[in-house]
Amino acid sequence: AQKITQTQPGMFVQEKEAVTLDCTYDTSDQSYGLFWYKQPSSGEMIFLIYQGSYDEQNATEGRYSLNFQKARKSANLVISASQLGDSAMYFCAMREGVGSNFGNEKLTFGTGTRLTIIP
Amino acid sequence: KAGVTQTPRYLIKTRGQQVTLSCSPISGHRSVSWYQQTPGQGLQFLFEYFSETQRNKGNFPGRFSGRQFSNSRSEMNVSTLELGDSALYLCASSLGGTAQETQYFGPGTRLLVL
Repeated sequence: AQKITQTQPGMFVQEKEAVTLDCTYDTSDQSYGLFWYKQPSSGEMIFLIYQGSYDEQNATEGRYSLNFQKARKSANLVISASQLGDSAMYFCAMREGVGSNFGNEKLTFGTGTRLTIIP
Repeated sequence: KAGVTQTPRYLIKTRGQQVTLSCSPISGHRSVSWYQQTPGQGLQFLFEYFSETQRNKGNFPGRFSGRQFSNSRSEMNVSTLELGDSALYLCASSLGGTAQETQYFGPGTRLLVL
């Protein structure tokens, strides 16, 4: 089974509108972390936002917020007031075993969503 | 603070050759992870090094190897290149002390195998 599922291969959004990118995950761990990265055409992965499984509040970073619904195992990224520079691939990723002392740096990525902002 | 750097940025090799890619982490970061990105398989974890020791490993053949130096810089080596090794290779660094820390990625090395 896929550990990270992103069901939207591509999205087109009008500039200045808000957009929600979907992500569902599958894990049996109680402690895990969820990440969103942005990958422009240049290839570099840019960290956007992090949500820990025990965090009670939804994470926010500027125009980015994470709609974390633990019971549904979803971690959707919300971008408010989209800009032309937001056009890129967006990846949801999970790290399991976050609560353990042993470092587990492995990130499991979804297949990504290509977001295109229309002027 | 300087970000993660990777060299070279682009590389063209032929089948059967070997290649070495380099990654310099953010200053103070002790963990370096490597990922392979292809259109068909997406982003896949190769391995992670922390304090010169391989701490995690993905499901890749033994042709893929790596190492980390005392200054935390890391190299990845692929021997006997195959056409399917053509990919964007990304490295990421983090402090490595706890698994809650964010990994910061470099710009990647685009490898083309002919």
